[in-house]
Amino acid sequence: QQQVKQSPQSLIVQKGGISIINCAYENTAFDYFPWYQQFPGKGPALLIAIRPDVSEKKEGRFTISFNKSAKQFSLHIMDSQPGDSATYFCAATGGESSTLGRLYFGRGTQLTVWP
Amino acid sequence: KAGVTQTPRYLIKTRGQQVTLSCSPISGHRSVSWYQQTPGQGLQFLFEYFSETQRNKGNFPGRFSGRQFSNSRSEMNVSTLELGDSALYLCASSFSVEGYTFGSGTRLTVV
Repeated sequence: QQQVKQSPQSLIVQKGGISIINCAYENTAFDYFPWYQQFPGKGPALLIAIRPDVSEKKEGRFTISFNKSAKQFSLHIMDSQPGDSATYFCAATGGESSTLGRLYFGRGTQLTVWP
Repeated sequence: KAGVTQTPRYLIKTRGQQVTLSCSPISGHRSVSWYQQTPGQGLQFLFEYFSETQRNKGNFPGRFSGRQFSNSRSEMNVSTLELGDSALYLCASSFSVEGYTFGSGTRLTVV
């Protein structure tokens, strides 16, 4: 069972546009929701993360929106740049012993930003 | 500070062989977790170690095993390799739940 579902699988955006990636989770015990960015040949790198006690978190051009009642969260990339072209993963963890030390990842979104 | 170091970066093995991958965590990080990444299955959790104890394990066969040493360095071993084990194996270390840092991975190809 996929604990975290991510969409879309791929996304093409023009330079300067807004990229939006959505995730939904199953386990209401999750209490930490990070987003990772991965470039070819590299491991995932933490981009931004949120706890469920806030509905939005912004860091530069990246914003996470969190809807606890709907069990959904999304990543918004404002003013998308060609250098943002990468694969983005949402993840969830925390809250109970069965998730100890483990991140549950979405399947990833391949973002391409055209110049 | 130094990041998570995984060695080797690339490996080619023959079906039926075994392989050992190594992970050196960030200094001070006591938790080390391992993931398998493939195009078809995405990032799949293998196991996690904390202070030399396995705390959590994913749904992989017993051919996949790991261990952690007293200096927090970790190794994972895959025995009796199958073609389907070809993947990028990623290690992550953390001090707390909010600080998972990944290495660049070991690309394993089984032929």
